[in-house]
Amino acid sequence: DVKVTQSSRYLVKRTGEKVFLECVQDMDHENMFWYRQDPGLGLRLIYFSYDVKMKEKGDIPEGYSVSREKKERFSLILESASTNQTSMYLCASSPLGTSGRPLLGTAEQYFGPGTRLTVT
Amino acid sequence: QKEVEQNSGPLSVPEGAIASLNCTYSDRGSQSFFWYRQYSGKSPELIMSIYSNGDKEDGRFTAQLNKASQYVSLLIRDSQPSDSATYLCAVSNSGYALNFGKGTSLLVTP
Repeated sequence: DVKVTQSSRYLVKRTGEKVFLECVQDMDHENMFWYRQDPGLGLRLIYFSYDVKMKEKGDIPEGYSVSREKKERFSLILESASTNQTSMYLCASSPLGTSGRPLLGTAEQYFGPGTRLTVT
Repeated sequence: QKEVEQNSGPLSVPEGAIASLNCTYSDRGSQSFFWYRQYSGKSPELIMSIYSNGDKEDGRFTAQLNKASQYVSLLIRDSQPSDSATYLCAVSNSGYALNFGKGTSLLVTP
């Protein structure tokens, strides 16, 4: 079974703090993703990575950065946390697409348990 | 903007009935289609994937895809109270990450 783990289930931070969210997958997946999920807005992609040290902006990258130094680990960084970043953060991983190229999204994604972040 | 539309519900069905969940998408180039189940407070869990037109069955779940009409549906036979959850439709085009709908809330009543 695919296992995606996230460092914290619940996190409370203060405005202006630097926040690190860690995600680890154990299935040797090439692709990793960070989403946030908010009521009424659904899942929104923040950043994704298709290889070590490679990253691409998603739909809402502002205020976030990412790091992928090892294949199994993908970190999301809130440089200066703000109250509008209070949300559920979900990490996901997926293998390469069926063509063998890094066709993002062609393959299914597996989600971690999520981190509910509150910024006060 | 590539859209994935789902009726937010709630869709209420009695125990033992068939629940039918629908999803439409705007990008004709979409190639891969997925259904996720999400219980309240939990993360999405993959339950079905479908890549070609027609039906795909897995246990009590059947996914149906019609690319010409740009819709994908999920049927749940013999619905159980444990099926009560939000069901997310996800669509992908090569080169893009999954594009998720906002989900349909399903309530199965005993």
